[in-house]
Amino acid sequence: KAGVTQTPRYLIKTRGQQVTLSCSPISGHRSVSWYQQTPGQGLQFLFEYFSETQRNKGNFPGRFSGRQFSNSRSEMNVSTLELGDSALYLCASILGPSGVYEQYFGPGTRLTVT
Amino acid sequence: DAKTTQPTSMDCAEGRAANLPCNHSTISGNEYVYWYRQIHSQGPQYIIHGLKNNETNEMASLIITEDRKSSTLILPHATLRDTAVYYCIVRGYNNNDMRFGAGTRLTVKP
Repeated sequence: KAGVTQTPRYLIKTRGQQVTLSCSPISGHRSVSWYQQTPGQGLQFLFEYFSETQRNKGNFPGRFSGRQFSNSRSEMNVSTLELGDSALYLCASILGPSGVYEQYFGPGTRLTVT
Repeated sequence: DAKTTQPTSMDCAEGRAANLPCNHSTISGNEYVYWYRQIHSQGPQYIIHGLKNNETNEMASLIITEDRKSSTLILPHATLRDTAVYYCIVRGYNNNDMRFGAGTRLTVKP
């Protein structure tokens, strides 16, 4: 079956702009988690959605937000972009909310803020 | 913060077993040990996970000590394509926010 899809794969924005990233999980998976990866901070958890509800949130400012639709697809939004937001943004598809299920990662969206 | 400690880097000869250790001394009874790997800027790839018993799949084996304070990921016959950063993660039963540490950079050499 198809894997996790993230769009776009690459994005260049300027400071102050906003951006929306999309993630389509594996068919039948109902949870989506988002992560930010930078060389300095490594992989950091942003938030997790299950059944259109945010279940958990990492330590990121309110400029970072997300949502999940009824078909489990998820979007994350970053407003008022800063240079430090340049990163690889990864989403993970999970069968359900339990930690017993493995997370399957997409290829990521590489965001560059200039 | 990550709840695991791993060596920064390791080397392994091609065809030999790669044994990657991980310390998780504060692990709770309902927390799983997960292993992922990431090959140069691709999304992390799931390898294996376990609770307290040793586990084996087509990719690797996971050995968890009896006190569950440490574990070892074993790649039985390492290939050059196994060169990657390997992450050991402790994750609760009702928890999908995985806390990644710095991982171990494994280099498989010919």
